[in-house]
Amino acid sequence: KQEVTQIPAALSVPEGENLVLNCSFTDSAIYNLQWFRQDPGKGLTSLLLIQSSQREQTSGRLNASLDKSSGRSTLYIAASQPGDSATYLCAVLHTGTASKLTFGTGTRLQVTL
Amino acid sequence: GAVVSQHPSRVICKSGTSVKIECRSLDFQATTMFWYRQFPKQSLMLMATSNEGSKATYEQGVEKDKFLINHASLTLSTLTVTSAHPEDSSFYICSARRPGTHYPYSGNTIYFGEGSWLTVV
Repeated sequence: KQEVTQIPAALSVPEGENLVLNCSFTDSAIYNLQWFRQDPGKGLTSLLLIQSSQREQTSGRLNASLDKSSGRSTLYIAASQPGDSATYLCAVLHTGTASKLTFGTGTRLQVTL
Repeated sequence: GAVVSQHPSRVICKSGTSVKIECRSLDFQATTMFWYRQFPKQSLMLMATSNEGSKATYEQGVEKDKFLINHASLTLSTLTVTSAHPEDSSFYICSARRPGTHYPYSGNTIYFGEGSWLTVV
């Protein structure tokens, strides 16, 4: 059974800092890995999707990397802003599951002024 | 704009009653939709896969008689929480897969609804 873990569970940083969120998964047989953002009481916003054949994806201040063989992904946020405060979830789509995503435990990020 | 709409966004119901949550794909036909549940400060847990025109596939530990899923059309799936109890209070969110993707499935076309907060009092 696929298990997805995110470290740290919570993180507080001052504005302007660069930070890294970690995601690990136990079964490397995946199609892709996706990072989402969730604001309190809201749904999910897709941030980045990395195919299993890719090493990284970038969007603005966000950069996500994938090391499928070791079962790890990182989300790098550059020059953090208070508006980045949210919960960040990673999710893997593993082979043979007909589009079911397995979500990580999430990292609650707070960026302070 | 949103391509998957969920309704209601918030609902309060009395213990013992049933409540229905709708998930609609707005501009595409979704043969497959997914229902997730999220407890406070926890991640999303898949409850069931909803397949148009057939029975839903429930994950282990999810009571199919309590969480009724109907996917009667290509744009609508409903989740009905029957005989709701306070412990059913949670955030429920659906997702829909836009068909037509090539094998192996890329994941680019999964869209999530905004979610529904259920409070059972």
